[in-house]
Amino acid sequence: AQSVTQPDIHITVSEGASLELRCNYSYGATPYLFWYVQSPGQGLQLLLKYFSGDTLVQGIKGFEAEFKRSQSSFNLRKPSVHWSDAAEYFCAVGGGDDKIIFGKGTRLHILP
Amino acid sequence: EPEVTQTPSHQVTQMGQEVILRCVPISNHLYFYWYRQILGQKVEFLVSFYNNEISEKSEIFDDQFSVERPDGSNFTLKIRSTKLEDSAMYFCASTIQGGRSNQPQHFGDGTRLSIL
Repeated sequence: AQSVTQPDIHITVSEGASLELRCNYSYGATPYLFWYVQSPGQGLQLLLKYFSGDTLVQGIKGFEAEFKRSQSSFNLRKPSVHWSDAAEYFCAVGGGDDKIIFGKGTRLHILP
Repeated sequence: EPEVTQTPSHQVTQMGQEVILRCVPISNHLYFYWYRQILGQKVEFLVSFYNNEISEKSEIFDDQFSVERPDGSNFTLKIRSTKLEDSAMYFCASTIQGGRSNQPQHFGDGTRLSIL
């Protein structure tokens, strides 16, 4: 069955520090992978996506993610976080005309 | 950049009443979806819709739910007799093409449904 696991419910980092949010997936075929961000009370904004090709994908707001097939992972990274990055981050698998399966999310807190 | 728009942003309804959530997908998109997010939980798939019929639905999407594309622009989700547990944020999404294409689904900002 398709599934997405985000092992960290909450992550706290200091402003300016680096960030890595973990994501593992289970998918029968070659996956399409996504990271979405949701600010409080807001909708889902696509940060980046992986469909094929280069396994390191660049997204908006300085985020990047690396697809590692051997580890079934698609971790999200940012070299230096800003206070405005505080939000909930969802890893997801699927897409195209398939439904998207979301992880439970990781809430990112930024310390000043 | 074109957006998926949802109305209303917040809907408050008495339990047992019918509610219709509205979405205007991006104009050249062909595949439409509803998802929901109960407060504090993950986003869950409800239903997908293509060519004026349901493509897939989850176990959440029972007989109380229905979807419709009444004209060329709107895509609606109806809940016939709302229950307290229907309180959630409902997201509409659309994508231009299917068949495992490389086009992502675009999400609206959601409608927060509160059942009293």
